Amino acid sequence: QLQLQESGPGLVKPSETLSLTCAVSGDSITSRTYYWGWIRQPPGKGLEWIGSIYFTGSTYYNPSLKSRVTISVDTAKIQFSLKVNSVTAADTATYYCARHTWNYRIDYWGQGTPVTVSA
Amino acid sequence: QSALTQPASVSGSPGQSITISCTGTSSDIGNYNFVSWYQQHPGKGPKLIIYDVNTRPSGVSNRFSGSKSGNTASLTISGLQTEDETDYYCSSHTTSGTLVFGGGTKLTVL
Repeated sequence: QLQLQESGPGLVKPSETLSLTCAVSGDSITSRTYYWGWIRQPPGKGLEWIGSIYFTGSTYYNPSLKSRVTISVDTAKIQFSLKVNSVTAADTATYYCARHTWNYRIDYWGQGTPVTVSA
Repeated sequence: QSALTQPASVSGSPGQSITISCTGTSSDIGNYNFVSWYQQHPGKGPKLIIYDVNTRPSGVSNRFSGSKSGNTASLTISGLQTEDETDYYCSSHTTSGTLVFGGGTKLTVL
C-alpha cells in the first residue's frame, strides 16, 4: 500500500522560502507509470495544482506559480521536494503531495501539511 | 490557466439524484477525456471517485457516475445518502500538459 508523508516547517516568514518534502513508501519512486505532484488548498478554498515531477527529473509547473516554484526528486532517499520562494500570506495553505498518472489521474494523496506564512 | 467552473453548492434529499457540472474550455475538458472527480470530507485529503470522465476506481460506489458533453463534464450521484454530504472537485488535463481543478462544490443532503 503506497504511503505519502509530507514534512516541513508549519510556519514560514513572509519573503522567505517554503520547503516541504514528501517521503514515499510502499512503491517505487522510479516507477515509469507515475508522476509525483504537489497540490495546495488555502483555508476554506479549493484545490490548486502546484506542479509535478517524473523520476527522471522532468518537471511541470502551474504557469501562475512557475517563477517561484522548484520541485526536485531524490530517488536514493525515495522522496521528492517542493520549494516556493518569496512567500506571502497568499501561500498559506494545506500542502498535499500526491501520485498521479501521465494524464493527471491522482490516485494517492498524502494526509496534507498546513503551512502558515506569517511574521 | 483558469480554474474550471463548478457551482458553489448543490443540494438534494436522501434517495434523490443530483448532478454537479464542471465547465472548462477547448484547451482542457473539450480536448481530452481526462476528467477526474474527487470527494473531500472536512479535514481529509481528497479521494478519487471518477477518472477518465466516467470510470470508477475499485471500491467506489456505483451510485457515482460521470459524463461529458463538449466543454462540460458532469458528476451524478444517485440514491443520495447523508454520507455524501461534503465537497466535490473536478479536474482536467490541459493542452499545455498541466492540471487544472474546479473551484469545488459543496453538496448538502437535506
